Amino acid sequence: NAGVTQTPKFQVLKTGQSMTLQCAQDMNHEYMSWYRQDPGMGLRLIHYSVGAGITDQGEVPNGYNVSRSTTEDFPLRLLSAAPSQTSVYFCASSPWGQGENIQYFGAGTRLSVL
Amino acid sequence: DAKTTQPPSMDCAEGRAANLPCNHSTISGNEYVYWYRQIHSQGPQYIIHGLKNNETNEMASLIITEDRKSSTLILPHATLRDTAVYYCIVRVAGTGTASKLTFGTGTRLQVTL
Repeated sequence: NAGVTQTPKFQVLKTGQSMTLQCAQDMNHEYMSWYRQDPGMGLRLIHYSVGAGITDQGEVPNGYNVSRSTTEDFPLRLLSAAPSQTSVYFCASSPWGQGENIQYFGAGTRLSVL
Repeated sequence: DAKTTQPPSMDCAEGRAANLPCNHSTISGNEYVYWYRQIHSQGPQYIIHGLKNNETNEMASLIITEDRKSSTLILPHATLRDTAVYYCIVRVAGTGTASKLTFGTGTRLQVTL
């Protein structure tokens, strides 16, 4: 199993550009989420999904959109990138509703917005 | 979710046990204690979790006090590869709620020769 796969690993954008960060998992997990991590800080939840067709906002959702059309994929869209969105983005997945939940994280996408 | 308090940094000599404390004095009866770590520039990695009893796996041991207001993560024989930021997280598990993890700033463990 590959686990949680994030692409791309690195990305540089200009202010106002749009892009999609990809996240895929092969563990058939219901729950998927996106976090951002700024230098010297902990992770902050952006959006999450508890299953295909269901998404909800985390603590820092502004400027980001998500959708969940399949169990495997949970892309994160930046519609109009801003320098404040320069960060490292992590995707995570876990089984859900089955008791104890352990989250599995991808390797991250490092995004710079100029 | 209960708030956790961890020291910002700790040092440990290679081969010695690393004991990382965590205070969670407002923990509720149905909240678990989870530990994750983040090695530089990588995604967080699950280590261990527990509810009331002490737990041990191939990576670490988790000691939870009887009143559950604090816990200690023990890496029995720390190596240089254990240098990382360690996060203690208190969270209700499953039961139909979203598995949101609230990461604080954690403890930066530096293992030295």
